[in-house]
Amino acid sequence: GESVGLHLPTLSVQEGDNSIINCAYSNSASDYFIWYKQESGKGPQFIIDIRSNMDKRQGQRVTVLLNKTVKHLSLQIAATQPGDSAVYFCAENIAPSGSARQLTFGSGTQLTVLP
Amino acid sequence: EPEVTQTPSHQVTQMGQEVILRCVPISNHLYFYWYRQILGQKVEFLVSFYNNEISEKSEIFDDQFSVERPDGSNFTLKIRSTKLEDSAMYFCASNVGALNEQFFGPGTRLTVL
Repeated sequence: GESVGLHLPTLSVQEGDNSIINCAYSNSASDYFIWYKQESGKGPQFIIDIRSNMDKRQGQRVTVLLNKTVKHLSLQIAATQPGDSAVYFCAENIAPSGSARQLTFGSGTQLTVLP
Repeated sequence: EPEVTQTPSHQVTQMGQEVILRCVPISNHLYFYWYRQILGQKVEFLVSFYNNEISEKSEIFDDQFSVERPDGSNFTLKIRSTKLEDSAMYFCASNVGALNEQFFGPGTRLTVL
């Protein structure tokens, strides 16, 4: 069925380096994608979103890239800091029945920032 | 900064018992959601709620589950007869519009013994 998935379950980077987390999706009709960060014992926290009419969006130290041709999106974190250590989920905001929206999450990537 | 709150933070119950998980969404939000996350797994959608009725529900949200907005602030998830496999983190979320950012609460850890 339709799903959002992640390429790598874990990623370790040195503090100060850039991080890239990847995500593939299978529903070509998906039009809205979000990256969430989840720290241990907490709920998902919104990082950045992108709609299908864009291919790039930048926030503070984060950039999301969307390639609709290959149904792939990525999250880039610049100058990774220890506080960035968390699980990162991509999610699709979809309307399976055409009206009400819901989030479909990928399986998550554990980012570990090394000192 | 407004936030979604959830109580209790941890609920332990016996199999077969009823539990009610409580959420207070952000006050001006109109759309409400429940998600669950089994330990080590991804977050799964359970149900969405708008205008005092369920908008969408997943296969997980069977007859044992119900939601209610009993007043202008609370949004509850009830599990009538809990099963061992209901053990999970349950997250409430809300947003001001269906295509706006969903804000998540800190979650309730449900443990069914």
